[in-house]
Amino acid sequence: DAGVIQSPRHEVTEMGQEVTLRCKPISGHDYLFWYRQTMMRGLELLIYFNNNVPIDDSGMPEDRFSAKMPNASFSTLKIQPSEPRDSAVYFCASSLRGSGGTETQYFGPGTRLLVL
Amino acid sequence: RKEVEQDPGPFNVPEGATVAFNCTYSNSASQSFFWYRQDCRKEPKLLMSVYSSGNEDGRFTAQLNRASQYISLLIRDSKLSDSATYLCVVTVDSSYKLIFGSGTRLLVRP
Repeated sequence: DAGVIQSPRHEVTEMGQEVTLRCKPISGHDYLFWYRQTMMRGLELLIYFNNNVPIDDSGMPEDRFSAKMPNASFSTLKIQPSEPRDSAVYFCASSLRGSGGTETQYFGPGTRLLVL
Repeated sequence: RKEVEQDPGPFNVPEGATVAFNCTYSNSASQSFFWYRQDCRKEPKLLMSVYSSGNEDGRFTAQLNRASQYISLLIRDSKLSDSATYLCVVTVDSSYKLIFGSGTRLLVRP
């Protein structure tokens, strides 16, 4: 079975450019999460969706970041304009809510972003 | 103070050794607890959930002490393939928001 799919896997861009990261969750999963990982701050939740609706975006760093989930099989995280401090690995994860409460989150391979 | 704190390591141990990692969390409302494993330049993957009564999965044993707000992971008979970063994770209330520690790096040498 295909896991969470992210694209691109690597992105190098110049400061000021728009960056769009893409994610396809595991089919049937109803939760989708965007994380950012850096050496300094570790793994941080940026935003998460339930049934395509944003539930908690308190981790989004600032207005330059936006995320959408137009349907159950696709989500984007956009940075506009990008800055060097946005350089990080961005992970997408998905999960399926069960009766047990918090369920396992399955992570994609990540997008390594470098902003010059 | 970080919500989830771990010793970054690295823990450098020989094959066959027993090694233990600890983690403390600051929010007494934390409800669910996990250990995730992350290999170098890979995504995190769930290793095991942590239950109040403690739980074991093969060579791995996890313990939770709610009174001390402390979680532990014990690995017995370490293998080379256990080399990775181990992330302590908690959730608060019934939220699906995972809060990650910064991880403890384990190196198992031949």
